[in-house]
Amino acid sequence: DAKTTQPNSMESNEEEPVHLPCNHSTISGTDYIHWYRQLPSQGPEYVIHGLTSNVNNRMASLAIAEDRKSSTLILHRATLRDAAVYYCILHGSGNTGKLIFGQGTTLQVKP
Amino acid sequence: NAGVTQTPKFQVLKTGQSMTLQCAQDMNHNSMYWYRQDPGMGLRLIYYSASEGTTDKGEVPNGYNVSRLNKREFSLRLESAAPSQTSVYFCASRAYDRLLNTGELFFGEGSRLTVL
Repeated sequence: DAKTTQPNSMESNEEEPVHLPCNHSTISGTDYIHWYRQLPSQGPEYVIHGLTSNVNNRMASLAIAEDRKSSTLILHRATLRDAAVYYCILHGSGNTGKLIFGQGTTLQVKP
Repeated sequence: NAGVTQTPKFQVLKTGQSMTLQCAQDMNHNSMYWYRQDPGMGLRLIYYSASEGTTDKGEVPNGYNVSRLNKREFSLRLESAAPSQTSVYFCASRAYDRLLNTGELFFGEGSRLTVL
């Protein structure tokens, strides 16, 4: 199974953009890149996903490198409510189902 | 809709006792998952069920058994609990979109288990 590597922690100031990196050098051509986040004392929630092209939604943007070996989750204006653990995971093709989370990046947002 | 419902939310066991964590989803999802999360750690996959009638081992299956009772329900059983199984357990479900070849996970609120 392809694995992802993320920094353990990052800090940001409120109202500033945040770029959360993820390396996935062994990604296969049919793997989708998904991001989830986990707020304190809650289960993870879906943030965004993509395959090759950059993606935007109301929560965040996802920038995918041209060789697909890395991606970046972008929070355009961090708020205190964005303080969470962010996970980058790969969804394999088909319904094989085995979804592995890594350690994630703990984002601290300072007022 | 309730989404993914886990019971119980809290449980304290003694070493050697058995118990079953229940999980039910009302979104008609095909796939269901059990993860555990130890303090300060990420999620680790215990077992998953890609579809009704199938189950497969994840990263850390030892000490656990699962049953996909029907499409809605996926239970996790600890036959002889050990202190190392003290953790927060999350159940999740996922719809598989054949056209998009993807599908997001929906998680329950978690079940906090302490084994003394």
